[in-house]
Amino acid sequence: DAGVIQSPRHEVTEMGQEVTLRCKPISGHNSLFWYRQTMMRGLELLIYFNNNVPIDDSGMPEDRFSAKMPNASFSTLKIQPSEPRDSAVYFCASTAGGNLNEQFFGPGTRLTVL
Amino acid sequence: GENVEQHPSTLSVQEGDSAVIKCTYSDSASNYFPWYKQELGKGPQLIIDIRSNVGEKKDQRIAVTLNKTAKHFSLHITETQPEDSAVYFCAASIGGYSTLTFGKGTMLLVSP
Repeated sequence: DAGVIQSPRHEVTEMGQEVTLRCKPISGHNSLFWYRQTMMRGLELLIYFNNNVPIDDSGMPEDRFSAKMPNASFSTLKIQPSEPRDSAVYFCASTAGGNLNEQFFGPGTRLTVL
Repeated sequence: GENVEQHPSTLSVQEGDSAVIKCTYSDSASNYFPWYKQELGKGPQLIIDIRSNVGEKKDQRIAVTLNKTAKHFSLHITETQPEDSAVYFCAASIGGYSTLTFGKGTMLLVSP
């Protein structure tokens, strides 16, 4: 298995632009998580899905952030409009679900908003 | 909600020494405690985990101990090697759909 796939790996954009991050979870996994990593705040859970349904989006910073999971093999995290403070590494992770399962992380997308 | 504190934030050791990273958690209902290793430019990878019905678990040079009464758990790396240099994260889960609360991370540097 190729593992969790994220694209792009790097994104540089200007303030005010729309940014879309993409994730393909591991085949057969039914839970998907979006995290943001910064030096100041560490790893923060933004939102997670179970069987394509958003379960908890309380970590989404504000209305500029939205996430979708149209099917079991694809998810997007969109920021519109982007701001410099959104600069971070965004990780997607997936797991086969249940209470005690390992989360497999993708390689991340490094976002820089100028 | 759950709160996980991790110490130290940075740790420098000589090759061959042991390294210990400690974490405390706040929610006594937490029952799953994984440790992740993140190398530069990569996503975190699970290296070892422990469940609440176990006090210690070992896997070659790494071990994790759990004290549920004190609500703390630790990662022990023996005979450290330069390739152990990375950022290590502890996490805790209170159940449900595998939601993890992470510590802030420890940057481990192993000097040859």
